[in-house]
Amino acid sequence: DAGVIQSPRHEVTEMGQEVTLRCKPISGHDYLFWYRQTMMRGLELLIYFNNNVPIDDSGMPEDRFSAKMPNASFSTLKIQPSEPRDSAVYFCASSPLRGGEQYFGPGTRLTVT
Amino acid sequence: GENVEQHPSTLSVQEGDSAVIKCTYSDSASNYFPWYKQELGKRPQLIIDIRSNVGEKKDQRIAVTLNKTAKHFSLHITETQPEDSAVYFCAATPDEKLTFGTGTRLTIIP
Repeated sequence: DAGVIQSPRHEVTEMGQEVTLRCKPISGHDYLFWYRQTMMRGLELLIYFNNNVPIDDSGMPEDRFSAKMPNASFSTLKIQPSEPRDSAVYFCASSPLRGGEQYFGPGTRLTVT
Repeated sequence: GENVEQHPSTLSVQEGDSAVIKCTYSDSASNYFPWYKQELGKRPQLIIDIRSNVGEKKDQRIAVTLNKTAKHFSLHITETQPEDSAVYFCAATPDEKLTFGTGTRLTIIP
């Protein structure tokens, strides 16, 4: 298996623009997680899905952030409009079972200028 | 919700010595405690985990201990090597939602 796939790997955009991050989980994994990592706040869980259904989005910072999982092999995290404080590394992770190992993707480094 | 505290935030040890990183958690229902290693510019990767029905687990030079009564767990790395230099994160969960500690930057001094 190729592991969790994320795209793009790097994104540089201007404030106010829409940003879409993409994730393909490992086949057969029922759980998908979106994290944000910054020096100041560490590794934060934004939202997670079970069988394509959002379970907990309490970590989503504000309405500018939205996430979807239209099928078992694809998820998006959208920021609209983007702001400089959204600059971070965004990781997607998947897990085959409840309370088990999470497999992280390579991350998307987002820079908003 | 769960709250995880991790200490120290930075740790430097001589190559060959041991390193210990400690975490405490707040939710007595937590039953899964993984440790992740993150090298510079890379993704976090699981190095060892423990469940609440076990007090200690070892994998070669790495071990994790869990004290449920005190709600703390620790990572022990023996015979440290340069490739052990990285940031280490502990985490805890009573279900599928991991709460991570703030990380420990471990530097191995040759």
